[in-house]
Amino acid sequence: DVKVTQSSRYLVKRTGEKVFLECVQDMDHENMFWYRQDPGLGLRLIYFSYDVKMKEKGDIPEGYSVSREKKERFSLILESASTNQTSMYLCASSSGGSGTGELFFGEGSRLTVL
Amino acid sequence: DAKTTQPPSMDCAEGRAANLPCNHSTISGNEYVYWYRQIHSQGPQYIIHGLKNNETNEMASLIITEDRKSSTLILPHATLRDTAVYYCIVSEANNNDMRFGAGTRLTVKP
Repeated sequence: DVKVTQSSRYLVKRTGEKVFLECVQDMDHENMFWYRQDPGLGLRLIYFSYDVKMKEKGDIPEGYSVSREKKERFSLILESASTNQTSMYLCASSSGGSGTGELFFGEGSRLTVL
Repeated sequence: DAKTTQPPSMDCAEGRAANLPCNHSTISGNEYVYWYRQIHSQGPQYIIHGLKNNETNEMASLIITEDRKSSTLILPHATLRDTAVYYCIVSEANNNDMRFGAGTRLTVKP
């Protein structure tokens, strides 16, 4: 089975802490994405990457950065966590190029910032 | 911003067809229509996609109007397990910037 794995299902952090959310995919996909999901707002795109070391801002990049040093891994970084970053974070990947365009999602990481 | 408009919620009786509409009046010629659904506390799951022809798979059918400005996802015999939020997205095939709106919350009732 194809798989997107997010390192933590639940995290609790304090305001000002640096937070790393890790995502690994085993499908050799070119594209990887980070979304956050909040009640009533659906999924909002934070950052995406279409190749190693490449990144593009999505709709809400403020307060976040990303890292893609290896094709299979895409990390989301909160340099100084704030309470308004309490949310569900979803990672996804897709093959891009001549693929079907289907996005494969991880199970999500629920982050609480106190 | 999402390029689609969907009703916020819909109900459907178990066993009946669920028809979920989506407007995408600004769709460009090389953009596909994708449908995903999200069951509570899980990541979204791909359902189906199409360019201009109608499509069918084991989960659903996708009907795209001739002018491609709208589409309908059809679940032919809805079950209680189809209760979920359904997202309609338009994106190019390399889809490196998929954007989801708020979707339609479908409730299938016994």
